[in-house]
Amino acid sequence: AQTVTQSQPEMSVQEAETVTLSCTYDTSESDYYLFWYKQPPSRQMILVIRQEAYKQQNATENRFSVNFQKAAKSFSLKISDSQLGDAAMYFCAYRSAWSGGSNYKLTFGKGTLLTVNP
Amino acid sequence: DGGITQSPKYLFRKEGQNVTLSCEQNLNHDAMYWYRQDPGQGLRLIYYSQIVNDFQKGDIAEGYSVSREKKESFPLTVTSAQKNPTAFYLCASSPHGGVGTGELFFGEGSRLTVL
Repeated sequence: AQTVTQSQPEMSVQEAETVTLSCTYDTSESDYYLFWYKQPPSRQMILVIRQEAYKQQNATENRFSVNFQKAAKSFSLKISDSQLGDAAMYFCAYRSAWSGGSNYKLTFGKGTLLTVNP
Repeated sequence: DGGITQSPKYLFRKEGQNVTLSCEQNLNHDAMYWYRQDPGQGLRLIYYSQIVNDFQKGDIAEGYSVSREKKESFPLTVTSAQKNPTAFYLCASSPHGGVGTGELFFGEGSRLTVL
């Protein structure tokens, strides 16, 4: 079974600075998806960024980018120019790219609570 | 606007009572999911359904039941057999049984408190 580990329960960053959230995962599969979701105090889960394992290029979405290291099974999220609205719980998640059975589900890490200081 | 609607947002239950959480989606998605969220535990999968009239147990299905009679609806019943039901419950859906982009789309959640 796949597992996702977020080793940082809490992180803090000063406004306008850069922060990196860590995520590692364990899988025997070669093709899969990785995600970062954001959960602000409203508790609505919002997709931040997605990475397909077959793509070598790291995904970017505006101020958010990932460092995907497939061999190391590492998937970190970098937030540049941090804003007060970035304060939230961040979850890393894994999903198999193979269809069928339980492969449809997302497996989540336990989350990292990010605080942004003004 | 298309989306996922969960109701009620807050629910209080006495011990020994069953309670049903509603989840409705108008995204025309095939697959639907229920996750439970506890502090420090992340999201854990309770049940999922890839198609109408079919559903599968997730990692923590004991004490819960579901039905999928319509494509747009996936209600979750928290039974009296669930030992620790106080939690935040999230419903999600995805298109084409989960293939394609792979992401899940989430509702706003339901907070269940057992008194």
